[in-house]
Amino acid sequence: NAGVTQTPKFQVLKTGQSMTLQCAQDMNHNSMYWYRQDPGMGLRLIYYSASEGTTDKGEVPNGYNVSRLNKREFSLRLESAAPSQTSVYFCASTSGIYPYEQYFGPGTRLTVT
Amino acid sequence: AQSVTQLDSQVPVFEEAPVELRCNYSSSVSVYLFWYVQYPNQGLQLLLKYLSGSTLVKGINGFEAEFNKSQTSFHLRKPSVHISDTAEYFCAVSQSYNTDKLIFGTGTRLQVFP
Repeated sequence: NAGVTQTPKFQVLKTGQSMTLQCAQDMNHNSMYWYRQDPGMGLRLIYYSASEGTTDKGEVPNGYNVSRLNKREFSLRLESAAPSQTSVYFCASTSGIYPYEQYFGPGTRLTVT
Repeated sequence: AQSVTQLDSQVPVFEEAPVELRCNYSSSVSVYLFWYVQYPNQGLQLLLKYLSGSTLVKGINGFEAEFNKSQTSFHLRKPSVHISDTAEYFCAVSQSYNTDKLIFGTGTRLQVFP
């Protein structure tokens, strides 16, 4: 099992450019999440998907869109990147049942200039 | 609303010394509690969790944590740290009846010196 995979690992964008961060899990999990990690702020939830076909906003959704393409894949799109979106982005998944652990991908380090 | 407070942003300690990383939470309902570790340039991995039962929880790499309901705390401890424990540690909480979302603390960077 690869667990949770993310692509790309690194990305540099210019202000106004768009890109999609990809996430996939092979654990047959129902719920998937996108977080951003910024120094001193911990992890903040951007969007999550409790099941295929559903998505909900988290704490910091502005400037982002998501797509739950199927049970395995959950993508995050930046339509018009801004320097404030410079961050490390993590995808996570969980079965939603006991023992409730979330499994994390290795992260995507995004810099917007 | 739930929240998690990690009181120390950085904890420096010498190798083989004991360490405690503090975590307090606020919630009006029953909670599940987690500690995650993030090694440099990696994702997060679960160290340990409290769901129910014994309030002293043992995790990987010799870490343990104690759930204290009256103090609303879930402090992480290790009796003797190694250089390899240098990492960022995150406390997280979810509501026991709605486990879809985790609320994370801001993290504590543990720096172990030789």
